[in-house]
Amino acid sequence: GDSVTQMEGPVTLSEEAFLTINCTYTATGYPSLFWYVQYPGEGLQLLLKATKADDKGSNKGFEATYRKETTSFHLEKGSVQVSDSAVYFCALSKTTDSWGKLQFGAGTQVVVTP
Amino acid sequence: EAGVTQFPSHSVIEKGQTVTLRCDPISGHDNLYWYRRVMGKEIKFLLHFVKESKQDESGMPNNRFLAERTGGTYSTLKVQPAELEDSGVYFCASSQGRSSYEQYFGPGTRLTVT
Repeated sequence: GDSVTQMEGPVTLSEEAFLTINCTYTATGYPSLFWYVQYPGEGLQLLLKATKADDKGSNKGFEATYRKETTSFHLEKGSVQVSDSAVYFCALSKTTDSWGKLQFGAGTQVVVTP
Repeated sequence: EAGVTQFPSHSVIEKGQTVTLRCDPISGHDNLYWYRRVMGKEIKFLLHFVKESKQDESGMPNNRFLAERTGGTYSTLKVQPAELEDSGVYFCASSQGRSSYEQYFGPGTRLTVT
């Protein structure tokens, strides 16, 4: 079946450091890929998405590129802030046949220190 | 516009008891999803309503779980009787339209079964 694998956390880094969170997927067909973020005490929010191969999603300084050849969707940010401390979830969806049902990875906690 | 709300935010019950979780989606959203995150693992899909109808309940773990969405507005998820392995965070999400990529999540209900 379909699955999403992302790097384990927690990831601890200093403010202004470069952040990468690896995400790979296994799926039949052509899924859409997402990164969701959960800030402390809040629900998940869509951070960015990509719906086809080679698409780049971007938002709030974060970027991820849909790589079909490596089945990956790694999240990157060039200079993190303390406010980026959160749990990040990679997810896929095959909206053509599943009404948007999301398949998530286990989440990666990111802690940014001043 | 009010977001997705969930009640309670935290529930602690004993094994064998019954608990009912409630989700109020964003007004006008036909799609309502329930997900669960157990023990810091991946967030797993439980079921999906379109208005008041169950579109997909393939993720429901067993018949101790009962979900309803009377009138196509709010939804309840009842666990009866609760078992230790039911502990986790239960998320609700809503979206509008069959091809909507963005699901709006509530803050979750943390269920602890002792």
